[in-house]
Amino acid sequence: QQQVKQSPQSLIVQKGGISIINCAYENTAFDYFPWYQQFPGKGPALLIAIRPDVSEKKEGRFTISFNKSAKQFSLHIMDSQPGDSATYFCAARVSGAGSYQLTFGKGTKLSVIP
Amino acid sequence: EPEVTQTPSHQVTQMGQEVILRCVPISNHLYFYWYRQILGQKVEFLVSFYNNEISEKSEIFDDQFSVERPDGSNFTLKIRSTKLEDSAMYFCASSVDRGETGELFFGEGSRLTVL
Repeated sequence: QQQVKQSPQSLIVQKGGISIINCAYENTAFDYFPWYQQFPGKGPALLIAIRPDVSEKKEGRFTISFNKSAKQFSLHIMDSQPGDSATYFCAARVSGAGSYQLTFGKGTKLSVIP
Repeated sequence: EPEVTQTPSHQVTQMGQEVILRCVPISNHLYFYWYRQILGQKVEFLVSFYNNEISEKSEIFDDQFSVERPDGSNFTLKIRSTKLEDSAMYFCASSVDRGETGELFFGEGSRLTVL
């Protein structure tokens, strides 16, 4: 099963709040889990990524939490800012067997209101 | 900062017409990709290309689609006979490699509208 399920579809957060976006997967062969940020009219840009050998990765205000047994991972945006308003996609990839295609979730539109 | 550039930014075409979307990947990158995003939907993998040949393609990438690297800089996606359902944003991406540092850099996309 190649799907990556992402929720919520949309999210409204007050400035300074915590934004949490969740993803779940079925394929246990996935071994690379990036998050992409997409602003209107732009292509997706890599935000942060994690591999399944760690449970958490933090870069500035962005943290990925990874639960291998539950096959879930989430993005936490601390102290959310209006400039964080964008669509966020989780993705997953199987790096072995010559396959490097990314499978994306459906995206979460985040709006951070002042 | 190096970037992936795509042209045209928007193309409108009649159903049945051929369309070529062009991409200039980042110069030292070796792996090239096309993804598409139907309006409001997720980004979907179409094809990956390395060493002048397709290395992987999805079910979406049927005989109507082809890719080419006609020279040292361009990477093109051709849709032979467009259908209404081909209307989407098409993103080109490139990466240095596919391993640990295989980050994909996406272009800004080419919006294709099929009438």
